[in-house]
Amino acid sequence: EVQLVESGGGLVQPGGSLRLSCAASGFTFSDHYMDWVRQAPGKGLEWVARTRNRARSYTTEYAASVKGRFTISRDDSRNSLYLQMNSLKTEDTAVYFCARGSHYGDGYHTMDVWGQGTTVTVSS
Amino acid sequence: DIQMTQSPSSLSASVGDRVTITCRASQGIGNHLAWFQQKPGKAPKSLIYAASSLQSGVPSQFSGSGSGTDFTLTISSLQPEDFATYYCQHYNEYPLTFGGGTKVEIK
Repeated sequence: EVQLVESGGGLVQPGGSLRLSCAASGFTFSDHYMDWVRQAPGKGLEWVARTRNRARSYTTEYAASVKGRFTISRDDSRNSLYLQMNSLKTEDTAVYFCARGSHYGDGYHTMDVWGQGTTVTVSS
Repeated sequence: DIQMTQSPSSLSASVGDRVTITCRASQGIGNHLAWFQQKPGKAPKSLIYAASSLQSGVPSQFSGSGSGTDFTLTISSLQPEDFATYYCQHYNEYPLTFGGGTKVEIK
């Protein structure tokens, strides 16, 4: 069974740091791009970051709202995805989902499998 | 950035109704458009990719159409389990962006 399980969420003060993890199973993790997507309380979905696979040199992309503060990374040997979040702001409060990227022959990647999410609360 | 505008933001419908949700991109995105379903407290679920291709296991009452800037998600006969919020997303370039969502409620 294809599965993504996030962990690492919690309560952190503004300006603090947190590291999220996503454990993947049931598929060849190293083949896939991987994403982080977040959802603030009562709001819609916001894409946060993407890491490409080894074939694409693990290059990364970020939303403007997190660029310079968040770092996406992966460890293919552990089938794991990470999000290092620094200089956290109250507006970063959200459920953070990891998602598997997939393409369908044209090289453009969307997401097809999602984890259940982990909650990050930034508050003093 | 490409803006994705969904309409309506919410709708009320009955079991068996045909429901159509529209999504408009602020610039052309070819067919690089996906649809997701989300139920309260749950992760999004992928329904459609490439504007009109059904993900494996998604019931056939769901269909998608469109290209360029205008897209639709149609539920041909609404089932009880279809009451949820639906999001479109473009993946044509970075940043990837989602529409604001359409909440489908029971009439």
